[in-house]
Amino acid sequence: EAQVTQNPRYLITVTGKKLTVTCSQNMNHEYMSWYRQDPGLGLRQIYYSMNVEVTDKGDVPEGYKVSRKEKRNFPLILESPSPNQTSLYFCASSLSGGLGVGDEQYFGPGTRLTVT
Amino acid sequence: LAKTTQPISMDSYEGQEVNITCSHNNIATNDYITWYQQFPSQGPRFIIQGYKTKVTNEVASLFIPADRKSSTLSLPRVSLSDTAVYYCLVGEHGGSQGNLIFGKGTKLSVKP
Repeated sequence: EAQVTQNPRYLITVTGKKLTVTCSQNMNHEYMSWYRQDPGLGLRQIYYSMNVEVTDKGDVPEGYKVSRKEKRNFPLILESPSPNQTSLYFCASSLSGGLGVGDEQYFGPGTRLTVT
Repeated sequence: LAKTTQPISMDSYEGQEVNITCSHNNIATNDYITWYQQFPSQGPRFIIQGYKTKVTNEVASLFIPADRKSSTLSLPRVSLSDTAVYYCLVGEHGGSQGNLIFGKGTKLSVKP
């Protein structure tokens, strides 16, 4: 089954304790991306990766790191989490990151992060 | 990536047809119009895409006028399960956008 998986699905942590949210896709997609969703602010892109070893900032990259060492995996790293990073996080993948025919985004189930 | 404008929210009742309009005045020749649907606490999912005129699938219809400066997502006979946020995105076919902007979308609330 074609899917994007994220782990963990729920996480409660404390300020300053480094954490990693994993993302994996099994569709051989070149493009992967991370979003955060907050009430009233919609879905905002954090980082994206056009292909292996190539990553770029989205609209809200501050406080986050990513790496793309393998095509299937795109972990999101919070080196020193703060309460303002409490949010619902989604990972997504697509063929090439465009908006054309056949290039739809597939989203993971989400990770709900709470930083106290 | 063309800028889009859509209503923040809409209300409807079960069994009605719902039309959500998205404005994209700066749409380019190679741009396609894509709509996503997001249920509460789930990731968005692709529902329909079009370039011009009308596209229909099992979920929705998409109407695009000749000037392509707007598009209308039509949901026939909605049910409570259609309560979701709907996002309109406009971008180039074959292009690699990278920085995709979903924005706030339109929150559709269907009442019994």
